[in-house]
Amino acid sequence: DAKTTQPNSMESNEEEPVHLPCNHSTISGTDYIHWYRQLPSQGPEYVIHGLTSNVNNRMASLAIAEDRKSSTLILHRATLRDAAVYYCILTDYSGGGADGLTFGKGTHLIIQP
Amino acid sequence: KAGVTQTPRYLIKTRGQQVTLSCSPISGHRSVSWYQQTPGQGLQFLFEYFSETQRNKGNFPGRFSGRQFSNSRSEMNVSTLELGDSALYLCASSLDASTEAFFGQGTRLTVV
Repeated sequence: DAKTTQPNSMESNEEEPVHLPCNHSTISGTDYIHWYRQLPSQGPEYVIHGLTSNVNNRMASLAIAEDRKSSTLILHRATLRDAAVYYCILTDYSGGGADGLTFGKGTHLIIQP
Repeated sequence: KAGVTQTPRYLIKTRGQQVTLSCSPISGHRSVSWYQQTPGQGLQFLFEYFSETQRNKGNFPGRFSGRQFSNSRSEMNVSTLELGDSALYLCASSLDASTEAFFGQGTRLTVV
């Protein structure tokens, strides 16, 4: 599976934008970029995913580099509830079936009030 | 709509025993996956079921098994428990493998 690299931790202030980076230099043409987050004492939660174009939803935005070797999850206005571990995951659905999500160590996001 | 439900939430078992965990997916979801989360190894994929068939399996010993019923509910079984099996076991459901996965809150298994 293609591998992702994320910073171990990041810190931001409440009500400010947060940019979480992810490097995936070995991404293949059929790999989707997914972001999940895990709040304390909960299961992971889907945030957003994309293939080539930038994506927006009510939770966040996903900016994908033109060469697709990196991407950035953008939380436009962080709140204390956004403090979580954020995982950047590549998935290849082109072959069908389910290889499962490969979670790395993720980025521990700390939000200061 | 109701989310993914895992039962029980907490479980304590003795080494050598076996355990069965249950997962009820979101209504209409046919894919159910299981994951193990430990502080040392993080989140690791166990297996995935779709329409009662196991489609893929992670790198776990044969003591870990599962099944899926016709109503998409799934069970995971671990036999001959070892201390290292202590973990949070998470279940995720999705319409299919190519759509977003919804996770339950997990079952915290402690082996003593």
